[in-house]
Amino acid sequence: ILNVEQSPQSLHVQEGDSTNFTCSFPSSNFYALHWYRWETAKSPEALFVMTLNGDEKKKGRISATLNTKEGYSYLYIKGSQPEDSATYLCAFLSAGGTSYGKLTFGQGTILTVHP
Amino acid sequence: DSGVTQTPKHLITATGQRVTLRCSPRSGDLSVYWYQQSLDQGLQFLIQYYNGEERAKGNILERFSAQQFPDLHSELNLSSLELGDSALYFCASSAPASDRGRGGYTFGSGTRLTVV
Repeated sequence: ILNVEQSPQSLHVQEGDSTNFTCSFPSSNFYALHWYRWETAKSPEALFVMTLNGDEKKKGRISATLNTKEGYSYLYIKGSQPEDSATYLCAFLSAGGTSYGKLTFGQGTILTVHP
Repeated sequence: DSGVTQTPKHLITATGQRVTLRCSPRSGDLSVYWYQQSLDQGLQFLIQYYNGEERAKGNILERFSAQQFPDLHSELNLSSLELGDSALYFCASSAPASDRGRGGYTFGSGTRLTVV
């Protein structure tokens, strides 16, 4: 059973704060790591797909880094805004042949940005 | 609107019954994935189809089955329903170049199933 852990479980920050959270995944048989943003009453939306060790991706104020050798990824949000409030999910894809497109999701980090 | 259509949005049914959840993938996408989110659980992978063929299977119960039709829509059949099957069921799709996970998946809005 693949273990994908996210920390912290929840986070409350003030508008303008920068924040980051962690996704830990198995360091063997790595194929890809996804980040999704899930707003209440909506469906998860893809932020980043990362495939190479050392990858860094950026979209606006949100960025992510990847370390496949030690099995972790960080998601950073610079200057948080109330509209950033959401659950952030990471998902791991193993290189194992039977995994194919099977993403294993973490439990998510719930971010609340207070005005 | 993500382009992935799931119907119905809500479903309430009794224990022991059978239901069918439907998903139409985004235009051009060949892969369909089914996920279950129960209370206090993360998204659990059920099954993946690619162009009509099963590609990957998660811990899907024997009471559950799925298929993908020639027009690429997919149906998830849940039978002999139990209270514990109450959950949000998501369908996602991905483009042909992304079906092995190299691109993001597009999720539908989900079907909330309540078994009473």
